[in-house]
Formats: sequence, structure tokens, C-alpha cells
Amino acid sequence: AQSVTQPDARVTVSEGASLQLRCKYSYSGTPYLFWYVQYPRQGLQLLLKYYSGDPVVQGVNGFEAEFIKSNSSFHLRKASVHWSDSAVYFCAVTGYQNFYFGKGTSLTVIP
Amino acid sequence: DTTVKQNPRYKLARVGKPVNLICSQTMNHDTMYWYQKKPNQAPKLLLFYYDKILNREADTFEKFQSSRPNNSFCSLYIGSAGLEYSAMYLCASSRSANTGQLYFGEGSKLTVL
Repeated sequence: AQSVTQPDARVTVSEGASLQLRCKYSYSGTPYLFWYVQYPRQGLQLLLKYYSGDPVVQGVNGFEAEFIKSNSSFHLRKASVHWSDSAVYFCAVTGYQNFYFGKGTSLTVIP
Repeated sequence: DTTVKQNPRYKLARVGKPVNLICSQTMNHDTMYWYQKKPNQAPKLLLFYYDKILNREADTFEKFQSSRPNNSFCSLYIGSAGLEYSAMYLCASSRSANTGQLYFGEGSKLTVL
């Protein structure tokens, strides 16, 4: 079965600290992987995506993620978070048209 | 313009009454999706249209209907709302040939009383 697991429902970090949000997926075919972010009262927006090639992909606002096939993981990272990064982050996997999402991780950045 | 618009943003419905949610996009995307999002749960795919072909998930097949009268519009219809339908409904679109990203609307929050 296709699924995405984000083990951390809530994460709190101090401004300027580094960040890692975890994502593990289960997908029978070739996965295409995404991170979406939802700011308060807004729709989900694409942060970054991985299709193939370099396993480390760069996204907007200094975010990056690394695809580790052997571990079925696609963790999101940022070197130094800002208070404006407070949002809910969703990991997703697709092979063609069906997109499967994790439950999301709510990030709170303390100034 | 990469906007997906949903109406209404908020909907209050009585148990047993019908609900119709509307989504539109102007990006000429061939695929439009409806997801249901409840607190602390992952967005759950309900159905999607690829062009004029409707694909419904097996476990929600009988609960939700949809129509796509043209490329830009897609509706989600609940014939008889139950309390369990209270949720945020997210519409998204994509160009499937791009194996592409989804573009989401802001959501329609349905509360069934």
C-alpha cells in the first residue's frame, strides 16, 4: 500500500536553529516526492520536489530535502529557521496521478 | 496566474441536506482533485478528474459525486450530509503530463450540524 509517515506531529525550535522534519514513504513504483507547506489561512504551496538525479534538492526559502532510497526517506532540512517558517509541512508521494500525503508536521519557531 | 479558487470558503449544512462545493482553475490543467482534510489527519484523496474521466477512491465511492462541465470547473457533491462529513475540502489541479506539482485552493470548510 502507498503511504507517507511523518512521525512528528509538532516540532518547536528557536529562531536561528537548524531544522529537520522527517518523512518516510511506502510506494511500490518509482516515487516522485514533494514537500508542501501550509501557512495559516492559506492553501498548500509547493516547497520542493524530487523526480530523479541529485538526491539533494533545493527548494524555496532555504529549504532542502534529501532522498535516501535505501531508507525510503525524504527528510526536509533548513540550516537556520526564521519565525516566518512557522507553518504545517506535508510530505507527499506520487507515481503519476494519485498523490498520497502524510499527516503533516506543525512547526513553531520561537523568536 | 496559478490560482485555484474554491467556493464557498465556509459552508454550514444540516444533517441530511445536500452540499455542493465548487472549484475553478485557469491554468488549463487536465487533472483536478478533491481531498478531504480532517484535523490531525492526512489529506485524503476522494476523487480526481483526468480530463473528462472521473476516478473515485474505492472507500468513498458512494459518498461523493463530482462533475466537471468544462476544463476549468469541478464540483464536489454530497447528497445527504452526515456529521462525519465535517472537514476541510481541498481542491487541487495539475498537469498530469508533468507528473507535476499540485496547485491547491484555500479550501472549503464544511461544518455539518
